[in-house]
Amino acid sequence: EAQVTQNPRYLITVTGKKLTVTCSQNMNHEYMSWYRQDPGLGLRQIYYSMNVEVTDKGDVPEGYKVSRKEKRNFPLILESPSPNQTSLYFCASSPNGDPGHQETQYFGPGTRLLVL
Amino acid sequence: SQQGEEDPQALSIQEGENATMNCSYKTSINNLQWYRQNSGRGLVHLILIRSNEREKHSGRLRVTLDTSKKSSSLLITASRAADTASYFCATGASGGGADGLTFGKGTHLIIQP
Repeated sequence: EAQVTQNPRYLITVTGKKLTVTCSQNMNHEYMSWYRQDPGLGLRQIYYSMNVEVTDKGDVPEGYKVSRKEKRNFPLILESPSPNQTSLYFCASSPNGDPGHQETQYFGPGTRLLVL
Repeated sequence: SQQGEEDPQALSIQEGENATMNCSYKTSINNLQWYRQNSGRGLVHLILIRSNEREKHSGRLRVTLDTSKKSSSLLITASRAADTASYFCATGASGGGADGLTFGKGTHLIIQP
């Protein structure tokens, strides 16, 4: 089944404890992206990747890192989480690697993160 | 960024009625897409309309696009309880650039049985 998977789905952690949220897609998509969703703010893009070893900042990259060593995986890393990173996180992928011509994006199920 | 804005923020209607949501955006686009999100879940793509199209249908969904007014509408006909969800418009920028898709804040639709 074609899908985007994220792990973990739920995570409670403490300030400063490094964490990684994994994202994997099995559709051979070039473009992958991370969003965070907060009440009243909608979805905001954190980082995106047009292809392997190509990543770039979105609208709210501060406090996050990503890597794209393989086409299928796009982990989101929080080196030192803070309470303001408590949010619902979504990974998405798209066949087209060109961010200027984005079409349908396929979303993962989301990761709900609470930073105490 | 050229964030889309949905209107209204929330809409509650009776089952069987039609639901209309609007989206406005600020800059030139390649396409405009509508997504649905059930509570706490990932977004699901509903329909894409290109900048050179004016109307598109998919099942009970009808989308219009007016590039002169930089606006789009999503009509759901004969609504069902299962249509209860949040609906987002997303714009794909034209002219290249690094914006990817930009999402609005969503319209929360409640279908009363």
